[in-house]
Amino acid sequence: EAGVAQSPRYKIIEKRQSVAFWCNPISGHATLYWYQQILGQGPKLLIQFQNNGVVDDSQLPKDRFSAERLKGVDSTLKIQPAKLEDSAVYLCASSLARGDSYEQYFGPGTRLTVT
Amino acid sequence: DAKTTQPNSMESNEEEPVHLPCNHSTISGTDYIHWYRQLPSQGPEYVIHGLTSNVNNRMASLAIAEDRKSSTLILHRATLRDAAVYYCILRDVQGTSYGKLTFGQGTILTVHP
Repeated sequence: EAGVAQSPRYKIIEKRQSVAFWCNPISGHATLYWYQQILGQGPKLLIQFQNNGVVDDSQLPKDRFSAERLKGVDSTLKIQPAKLEDSAVYLCASSLARGDSYEQYFGPGTRLTVT
Repeated sequence: DAKTTQPNSMESNEEEPVHLPCNHSTISGTDYIHWYRQLPSQGPEYVIHGLTSNVNNRMASLAIAEDRKSSTLILHRATLRDAAVYYCILRDVQGTSYGKLTFGQGTILTVHP
């Protein structure tokens, strides 16, 4: 079974530029998550999709971050404009459903450096 | 979100058992206890979860206190590959946070050869 795919793996941009990350979840997984992991901390949930609808974006900085999941499969996360504090690893995860018994499968992440 | 408390770090020797503790004194009756681990430069991976009874799987065992205010992840024979950050998480099963994982700082496990 193929895992969660993310690209790019690494990205370096200057502050005020924009950047986009792509995620392809495990086939058949209805729920998709984007997390931000700052160095030395645990991952923090940014947004959660159920199929192509948003069910939780309470911690997404909506003035600069946006995400979409067209057709309920792939997803993109965008930052515009980027700030220095956005330097982090952005992790995508998917699960069969939202229920508690459904484990989340994580991708390798995209490491973003904002200079 | 219900909070968990874990030691910052622990050390073990290879092929010895490891007991990773977690306190969750404010756990609610519907919170499941989940453990994930994160190997260096990788995304987190699921280890085990439980509600009230002790649980075993191929990776580890989860021992849950009778009052559910603490739990222990048990690695029966640590290997070098088990060196990782281990996260104890209370998973919300109600409301808009349904299914959400809230990660804390975790425990850094070092395994010595």
